[in-house]
Amino acid sequence: GQNIDQPTEMTATEGAIVQINCTYQTSGFNGLFWYQQHAGEAPTFLSYNVLDGLEEKGRFSSFLSRSKGYSYLLLKELQMKDSASYLCAARGGNKLVFGAGTILRVKS
Amino acid sequence: SAVISQKPSRDICQRGTSLTIQCQVDSQVTMMFWYRQQPGQSLTLIATANQGSEATYESGFVIDKFPISRPNLTFSTLTVSNMSPEDSSIYLCSVFGLAKTGELFFGEGSRLTVL
Repeated sequence: GQNIDQPTEMTATEGAIVQINCTYQTSGFNGLFWYQQHAGEAPTFLSYNVLDGLEEKGRFSSFLSRSKGYSYLLLKELQMKDSASYLCAARGGNKLVFGAGTILRVKS
Repeated sequence: SAVISQKPSRDICQRGTSLTIQCQVDSQVTMMFWYRQQPGQSLTLIATANQGSEATYESGFVIDKFPISRPNLTFSTLTVSNMSPEDSSIYLCSVFGLAKTGELFFGEGSRLTVL
């Protein structure tokens, strides 16, 4: 089966760093994705990992450990506009399965 | 990237009626995916629409309730049949991009409210 777990919500302060964790179980794994979704909008792609290690993309980085079924999204220099839901998604074969999402609240 | 247009963007429907959502992609794609996002929840895959064959439905979703058409490589429709308030949701059409990352691109979504 497929199962993806991530925290329901997190709060962090503007300018700080926050790490959102995700654990997954999926058959035929071939990629781990992170998406950002603001209220009332469609999800937008943030990052992708298929090999172990860290992928950095500006203020956002994502890490993957396939042996542990674990990923995290790291957001640096938090801004108020980063307040959103962050969705972890694992690709198995030709399907992308999403976690429930982590609501991140950035406070000043 | 892929540009995906969905319509309607939103609608208010009466219980027992059916509504068809259209999805148009700006490039030819083999698979198109229909997701549902109920209020406050994440995305759940309804089905995969393949051109030239019947859609493949996920557990908990059936063709009678969510018939799908895929007449060509750039277009698909999802019908929500015999709606009830529990069908109030955002319905999203999506496709994989052509980059090696293969991320999923989404349409703007169709927000349905069933009274």
